[in-house]
Amino acid sequence: AQSVSQHNHHVILSEAASLELGCNYSYGGTVNLFWYVQYPGQHLQLLLKYFSGDPLVKGIKGFEAEFIKSKFSFNLRKPSVQWSDTAEYFCAVNARAAGNKLTFGGGTRVLVKP
Amino acid sequence: DAGITQSPRHKVTETGTPVTLRCHQTENHRYMYWYRQDPGHGLRLIHYSYGVKDTDKGEVSDGYSVSRSKTEDFLLTLESATSSQTSVYFCAIKAATNEKLFFGSGTQLSVL
Repeated sequence: AQSVSQHNHHVILSEAASLELGCNYSYGGTVNLFWYVQYPGQHLQLLLKYFSGDPLVKGIKGFEAEFIKSKFSFNLRKPSVQWSDTAEYFCAVNARAAGNKLTFGGGTRVLVKP
Repeated sequence: DAGITQSPRHKVTETGTPVTLRCHQTENHRYMYWYRQDPGHGLRLIHYSYGVKDTDKGEVSDGYSVSRSKTEDFLLTLESATSSQTSVYFCAIKAATNEKLFFGSGTQLSVL
């Protein structure tokens, strides 16, 4: 079965700091990978996704993620955060053999101090 | 935003009562999902549907049932609500296999 681990539950940083959120999945086959964001009081929105090709994926709002197959990782990065990046971030995986089931990690709450 | 409506938005009920949550979409998407969101657990899949009358269980399906008699509606039923089912429930839809999920605004359910 597919599973997803997000190592940091809470992250606090100042504006302009760099952000990196860890995500590891456990499934040996072909996977589709996603990062979703949930701003306070809102529903989840897609930040970026990886299906195939270039393992460095660029998403919206300056976010990017790198798929490292050998490490089963899909870490999210942003070089310089803003106060508006305060949100909860979820990594998700869809093993292609699992059909259309998307499994989410436990989430990381990010607080950016102005 | 995708056309997804969840109802009700908030509900308070008592232990042992049946509860039905509705997800309605206007996008004609094939796939529909019910997730619950709890602190520290992220989103966990309850049930999903891959077409009218075609449903399958997710990782936390015990105590829940679903029905999809029309493309646009996916109902989640708690046959006999328990306090452990207090949560925020999100519906999501997807057009095809390699497409992203669109989420509804959520239903806050409290079981007292």
